[in-house]
Amino acid sequence: NAGVTQTPKFQVLKTGQSMTLQCAQDMNHNSMYWYRQDPGMGLRLIYYSASEGTTDKGEVPNGYNVSRLNKREFSLRLESAAPSQTSVYFCASTGGGAYGYTFGSGTRLTVV
Amino acid sequence: GQSLEQPSEVTAVEGAIVQINCTYQTSGFYGLSWYQQHDGGAPTFLSYNGLDGLEETGRFSSFLSRSDSYGYLLLQELQMKDSASYFCAVAGNTGKLIFGQGTTLQVKP
Repeated sequence: NAGVTQTPKFQVLKTGQSMTLQCAQDMNHNSMYWYRQDPGMGLRLIYYSASEGTTDKGEVPNGYNVSRLNKREFSLRLESAAPSQTSVYFCASTGGGAYGYTFGSGTRLTVV
Repeated sequence: GQSLEQPSEVTAVEGAIVQINCTYQTSGFYGLSWYQQHDGGAPTFLSYNGLDGLEETGRFSSFLSRSDSYGYLLLQELQMKDSASYFCAVAGNTGKLIFGQGTTLQVKP
């Protein structure tokens, strides 16, 4: 099925470990986004990529880095995980600006 | 910057109509979107208003007043499966969406 695929679905890290969250879309969308969602909260934008080759900071970029590997793939890296980064991470893409984001199923990350 | 306000919780009975309001402050406004999220699931797109007025999609409608920086989502003929969180989100000129905190809708029999 066409859509946004995130891996892994679940991850437990120890404080200080690093990891990369993967996201790929097969809808030929130009723009891709990484959000985090904490319990009972809305989604907060971490980083986004308006088009292949560009990335920009969102509302909460500290502690994260991103790579837009190609048009399909947009990865999020935690260099040194902290308990405050325990969250659910969603990747999204859109081909029409602000209209109709498609979200992946999320990565549930726990940092202990 | 951008900020949005929406009620944290709304309760309604099956078959009723419910309205979820959203007010926003933003520099550079392109549109207001609504997303639905069931527990443990991904947000899914419901509607988008780029211009003033009402947009209707089946049982769901969304309204925007740009002069009042206000919009709402109207859900009609409520069903149990409509129990979920609903988020409004504003888009600026970069296309990125900034989300509100979400409204938890509980539909009771």
